[in-house]
Amino acid sequence: AIQLTQSPSSLSASVGDRVTVSCRASQDIRNNVAWYQQKPGFPPRLLMYDASTPETGVPSRFSGSGSGPDFTLIISSLQPEDFGTYYCQQFNRFPLTFGGGTRVDIK
Amino acid sequence: QVQLVESGGGVVQPGRPLRLSCAASGFTFSDYPMHWVRQAPGKGLEWVALISSDGRNKLYADSVKGRFTISREISNNTLSLQMNNQRRDDTAVYYCARGHGGSRFDLWGQGALVTVSS
Repeated sequence: AIQLTQSPSSLSASVGDRVTVSCRASQDIRNNVAWYQQKPGFPPRLLMYDASTPETGVPSRFSGSGSGPDFTLIISSLQPEDFGTYYCQQFNRFPLTFGGGTRVDIK
Repeated sequence: QVQLVESGGGVVQPGRPLRLSCAASGFTFSDYPMHWVRQAPGKGLEWVALISSDGRNKLYADSVKGRFTISREISNNTLSLQMNNQRRDDTAVYYCARGHGGSRFDLWGQGALVTVSS
């Protein structure tokens, strides 16, 4: 199975900060990555797919990039409502797999 | 309203079966592949199973293969997960999710908690 390694596992940042979450695949997965945000007690919410295509309604401060093994989710200016855990997911090959998550806290 | 609503969660003894359901509404259920994803308490997300839009093709995670069965009933817009021979490590919140374009899960249910315990 394709392994996805996210870094960091957690971070704490201030409102207005630029936040970067990384996701590295164990093999080339082209651009077949989606990103999700999950808040405690709620299901995940789709943010990005095909590595860099934002889902409808996602604020423009969220962006995605990367291909092959390395991917990045960027929050350009962190807002209070952006707390939660962020997961990458690969769709290149079954079994579908998720990264371990990056928890984002607001200072 | 476009939504997925799971039901059927609860406490089950090890080795006993349990069946989860997911009611879809607000969209053409037969147009989309559907998935189950689970999340153990305090842990990350784990993909469990896929069923194609026409119900003919099914795939499973190795951790549940041979024990879980995914199915769908187009006539009543329902997705199901039959879980047999349950183990304690099957304890998790189970989400149904809509697949889209082979590239994302764009709609999720609220989740159903399954606790495997004696």
